[in-house]
Order: sequence, then structure tokens, then C-alpha cells
Amino acid sequence: FMLTQPHSVSESPGKTVTISCTRSSGSIGNNYVQWYQLRPGSVPICVIFQGHQRPSGVPDRFSGSIDSSSNSASLTIAGLKTEDEADYYCQSYDNLNHRGVFGGGTKLTVL
Amino acid sequence: QAHLMQSGAEVKRPGASVRISCKASGYTFANYYIHWVRLAPGQGLEWMGVIRPSVGSTNYAQNFRDRVTMTTDTSTSTAYMDLRSLTSDDTAVYYCTRDRGVTGTTWWFDPWGQGTLVTVSS
Repeated sequence: FMLTQPHSVSESPGKTVTISCTRSSGSIGNNYVQWYQLRPGSVPICVIFQGHQRPSGVPDRFSGSIDSSSNSASLTIAGLKTEDEADYYCQSYDNLNHRGVFGGGTKLTVL
Repeated sequence: QAHLMQSGAEVKRPGASVRISCKASGYTFANYYIHWVRLAPGQGLEWMGVIRPSVGSTNYAQNFRDRVTMTTDTSTSTAYMDLRSLTSDDTAVYYCTRDRGVTGTTWWFDPWGQGTLVTVSS
């Protein structure tokens, strides 16, 4: 299966933005979804795991959810800060073949 | 605290092979799966494969199955990724990353190595 994300989103500081991740086949709920933030020159960091869990150190401005009706996962960032500007990737796995799958990434611009 | 340290940048000719190492510290290496992920210029993150250090079992992404070999040395807590028959399309930053699951996969990757830039150019 594939995970499809919007190529880019932009929003103003202080606002809220939501990034979607749609699974092409099979139920989005079948396998946990993670979200990674990748800033230029840095390594990826996980901001959401298992659909909606936040690793320690990640601000509660970051939240994740699953929508079975659209077969998609979403990452929502509230109270946007300029430091949130980065590429965001959703990620899941094919447990039949034991293989990982990344979405194509979404470039978030905060302006 | 778990930490992964990767080997340095490489420049290779087309057709050559590259080996990247990933040395783990701060945790019991054998208990956690290691995944390899790459980021090519202008492209997104791409999962390459996973290895279970305790037994050396692997699963590779379809795109790399014929060209990649992942191994581990539990005596030095080091994982290796060999990629053969390099082309310019393999120019990328390669990351090792640990699965958070203990003796099993959760597919939650943390931490990540610092990345190794591989440049393939004639």
C-alpha cells in the first residue's frame, strides 16, 4: 500500500494546521501510524507514535488522529511557531510482508 | 540514553559498493531491531530494510532486495548496511534508526543516527 500526503501546506504563526496521510489500500487502523519531523540539516524526530501518542519532550501542540471514513491519519499542530517549519512524514508498515512505508512528506511553511 | 553513531561521508563511482556502519550505545543492542532509511535529494524518506541483531534475520524493501545486505556484530554493538551496484540515484543521506520495541517491532523509530552522506559520481 501507499501513504499519500499533500506536497505542501502553509499557515501563519499562532494558527492551527492539519496534515493528512491517506492509505491507498487496507484499513488505516490495521497498523499504527507514526509522524516524523525533519528540519533541514537535522535528523528525523518522531512527534507522534501509535496514531496519537506523543513522545516525551514533544509539545502538546502536536496531536495525531485516525479517521476510518477517509482511511487517513492526521497530524495537527496548534499554535504554530516558526520553529515548526519542517518536512513532516507519516509512516506505517505492512505487517504481512514486514516492511515499512513512508508517505511522500509534506513541507510545512509557517509565515 | 540510546545513541547511534554512523560512519562518515563516502564518495563512490557508479558501479561501486558502499558499507555504512552504525554503532549503538546506551542500551542492549541485541534486544532492538535496527532499520535503515534513506533521504535522497528532492525525495522523501525511504525505508530500506530492517535487521534483528540477536539472530541476524532481515527484511528488505522490494526496491533494494537485490543490492542490499544488512548485518550486525553484537560483540561491538554495530550494524552494517552494504549497498552494491551504486548509481547516481543512490546519492542520499542514509540513516540507521532503532525500533522502540523490545524484542519485537513497533515500527516507531527512535533514536536515529546522524546520517551518512553517500555521493555517487563519476
